[in-house]
Amino acid sequence: EPEVTQTPSHQVTQMGQEVILHCVPISNHLYFYWYRQILGQKVEFLVSFYNNEISEKSEIFDDQFSVERPDGSNFTLKIRSTKLEDSAMYFCASSTSDGANQPQHFGDGTRLSIL
Amino acid sequence: SQKIEQNSEALNIQEGKTATLTCNYTNYSPAYLQWYRQDPGRGPVFLLLIRENEKEKRKERLKVTFDTTLKQSLFHITASQPADSATYLCALERRDDKIIFGKGTRLHILP
Repeated sequence: EPEVTQTPSHQVTQMGQEVILHCVPISNHLYFYWYRQILGQKVEFLVSFYNNEISEKSEIFDDQFSVERPDGSNFTLKIRSTKLEDSAMYFCASSTSDGANQPQHFGDGTRLSIL
Repeated sequence: SQKIEQNSEALNIQEGKTATLTCNYTNYSPAYLQWYRQDPGRGPVFLLLIRENEKEKRKERLKVTFDTTLKQSLFHITASQPADSATYLCALERRDDKIIFGKGTRLHILP
């Protein structure tokens, strides 16, 4: 069964540094998402992306965050100047269509640790 | 704003019994509700989706109910097995048709 793959599995970065998280969504999916899960907390929506542009973003997704689909397969999340509170699991997800009537397929996440 | 509450942080059930997890919501009536399973260090995995006009949905040993009057969904695992131990997340439709997740319930099936 097709999978969403995320790299790296664990990223350790000094506070203030830029970090880029990588995702390869399922190939025939059109909608892409990033979520964040702080340890012991719930999965929180960050941003959705369709047709090469952001379709929605949450209040967490401020100017320090950006997303890009640089080629036909990769979907990246960049954090420009990391803060301690950015430490979390970051999950990428994709779906065939948008909306709550479709399941989302998640990767296994990147654990981001900010020192 | 919409709120989701999942009944407890952790639930211990004896192997072979039925596990029942609860998801309550407020302030909005979603047309769709989803359940996911999350294992430690892994991403959520979709299990079932139920629509507001469906009272019940089944998949193998899983059953989901959706009571729009009570604003509640129940998630049942029958003949539970230790391999069913995981965190189960309820996700419901927001007003803007996106989904939001509950905090999850950690289920432990005791052998």
